[in-house]
Amino acid sequence: KQEVTQIPAALSVPEGENLVLNCSFTDSAIYNLQWFRQDPGKGLTSLLLIQSSQREQTSGRLNASLDKSSGRSTLYIAASQPGDSATYLCAVNYNAGNMLTFGGGTRLMVKP
Amino acid sequence: GAVVSQHPSWVICKSGTSVKIECRSLDFQATTMFWYRQFPKQSLMLMATSNEGSKATYEQGVEKDKFLINHASLTLSTLTVTSAHPEDSSFYICSARYRVDYEQYFGPGTRLTVT
Repeated sequence: KQEVTQIPAALSVPEGENLVLNCSFTDSAIYNLQWFRQDPGKGLTSLLLIQSSQREQTSGRLNASLDKSSGRSTLYIAASQPGDSATYLCAVNYNAGNMLTFGGGTRLMVKP
Repeated sequence: GAVVSQHPSWVICKSGTSVKIECRSLDFQATTMFWYRQFPKQSLMLMATSNEGSKATYEQGVEKDKFLINHASLTLSTLTVTSAHPEDSSFYICSARYRVDYEQYFGPGTRLTVT
């Protein structure tokens, strides 16, 4: 069974800190990996999509890396802001059929 | 582009009644739509995959007679929770994709509360 694990489950940091969210997956034969943001009671906003052939993707203050051999991805958030407070989900697509397997999420709180 | 809407955004119903949730792709044709369920402080669990014009494929443990899915057009899929019970209370999220190798786009979710 393919599993996706996110650590930590919750994280609280002061504003301005750089932080790293972790995602690990059991099967390295992935098609792509995606990071999402979810605000309370809302749907998902796609942040970054990394194809299996890529090692990282960047968007603004966000940088996502992918290491298939170790089954890991990280989401790096630079200079965190209170507006970054949300749950961050990573999802792995194991085949071109685009069936996403989600991790449990990391609930981030950035304190002003 | 790539906007997915859901209606209603929230609904309260009495136990034993049925509730229909709509998922629409507003600016693209979705050959496939996915339905997820999310319990409080938990991640998304895929319930079923629906392809336009064919029967939905349900994940293990999801009752197809309870969660009726219809994907009658390339822009609309519906999820009907039949004979709802309080344990069906959850956040239901749909996603849609244009083609098999394209990204999924997610709707804003529907909060269902069964009293």
